[in-house]
Amino acid sequence: KAGVTQTPRYLIKTRGQQVTLSCSPISGHRSVSWYQQTPGQGLQFLFEYFSETQRNKGNFPGRFSGRQFSNSRSEMNVSTLELGDSALYLCASSLGGYGGSPDTQYFGPGTRLTVL
Amino acid sequence: QKEVEQDPGPLSVPEGAIVSLNCTYSNSAFQYFMWYRQYSRKGPELLMYTYSSGNKEDGRFTAQVDKSSKYISLFIRDSQPSDSATYLCARMYSSASKIIFGSGTRLSIRP
Repeated sequence: KAGVTQTPRYLIKTRGQQVTLSCSPISGHRSVSWYQQTPGQGLQFLFEYFSETQRNKGNFPGRFSGRQFSNSRSEMNVSTLELGDSALYLCASSLGGYGGSPDTQYFGPGTRLTVL
Repeated sequence: QKEVEQDPGPLSVPEGAIVSLNCTYSNSAFQYFMWYRQYSRKGPELLMYTYSSGNKEDGRFTAQVDKSSKYISLFIRDSQPSDSATYLCARMYSSASKIIFGSGTRLSIRP
């Protein structure tokens, strides 16, 4: 089974621009979560989409948004980029169900975004 | 105060040593505790999880939760150079809630 894929792997943008990152989950997974990873703040949760609806949300400004399509693929958008948005953006997919064990998330390799 | 605190290291030990990685947490409502391993230029991968409290063993790895002191630990026996990675502890309120990660501990196993 193919793993989580993220495109592009590397991206360089300038301040004020916007960017769209893409994530293709593992086949059959209905939940996609996005994280930002930086050396200073570590791995921080952005939001989660399940069946095309945002189910959980982290503490990030409205410049960060996302969406999920009917095939479970997800995109994340960051508008008006700031220098502090430079980070590794990770996407994780999972089955998304509520059960007696944690909904195991499988992470993609990430998109490295550099804002100049 | 962060909900999950983890010593960033780096931690360097000789091959074969027992490694102890630790985290503290502040919110008693957490139900699940996980450990992830992240190799350089890769996404994190789930190593193991425990529910609420107690120990769980998987091969050379043992996860331990002490709810009274809000402390969780990961022990690695017979450590190998291939165990060199960043280890992240994590918490969930419920089985489908968001995951809150610690900052990660960078571990290096010297051959």
